Amino acid sequence: GESVGLHLPTLSVQEGDNSIINCAYSNSASDYFIWYKQESGKGPQFIIDIRSNMDKRQGQRVTVLLNKTVKHLSLQIAATQPGDSAVYFCAEPHHAGSNYKLTFGKGTLLTVNP
Amino acid sequence: NAGVMQNPRHLVRRRGQEARLRCSPMKGHSHVYWYRQLPEEGLKFMVYLQKENIIDESGMPKERFSAEFPKEGPSILRIQQVVRGDSAAYFCASSRLFSGGNDNEQFFGPGTRLTVL
Repeated sequence: GESVGLHLPTLSVQEGDNSIINCAYSNSASDYFIWYKQESGKGPQFIIDIRSNMDKRQGQRVTVLLNKTVKHLSLQIAATQPGDSAVYFCAEPHHAGSNYKLTFGKGTLLTVNP
Repeated sequence: NAGVMQNPRHLVRRRGQEARLRCSPMKGHSHVYWYRQLPEEGLKFMVYLQKENIIDESGMPKERFSAEFPKEGPSILRIQQVVRGDSAAYFCASSRLFSGGNDNEQFFGPGTRLTVL
C-alpha cells in the first residue's frame, strides 16, 4: 500500500486565516518529503521540501513541520489567499536517498472562502 | 524559459486505438518521469527515462504500455489498444540530474488528459 496518506480530504478556510494540511507516512526510513500544490487542470508544483534531519523548514508564507516520532508532517500556510485554493499533496521518493519514483498521497483539497 | 511541455493536452480515443503522449523536458534536463493520475487520486509513478535509456519502468503495466526518450525529440508514452480503464491524466516531469540532493527537483508539465470512449 501507499506509504503516505492524508488525514483530511478537504479543508475550507476563510481568506486571511492560517491553513494546516496534514500528512502521515509509514516508513520510518523515509528521509525526504516534498509538498506539491496542484491547481485545477495543471500539473503539480513544488512548494517546499524537508529532509529528516530537520524538524521545521520555512518558505514564503509556508512552513513544513516534521515529527519523526509519530511519522507525521504538516504544511502550514499563513494568511491564506484565494490563489492558494488547490489540491495539496505530500510526496516522498520510493527509495531513501533518491529523488525519483515519488509516492504521492491522495491529496487535500483546500478551498479559500473570500 | 519554457517549462515542461506536454501535448496534446486532451486526447480522446475509442477502445482499441492507440494513444501517443509527448513530453518535452525543460531545457537542460535529461531525466524524464511519467506519472498517471486517476480522478481524485494522487499521482502514480510509471517510468523513469534518460536519453535513450529506460532506467526504471516498474510502475508501468507490462502490456500495451511503452515509453521512450530518444536522442532527439520528445519523450513518448505510448498506449496500445486502449481500454476505458486507461482514462486518466498523464503527467510528465523532468529534472536536471539524478542525485540525492535537494537540487534534483522534478518539474511537472500540465498533463495530458486521456479519455477512452
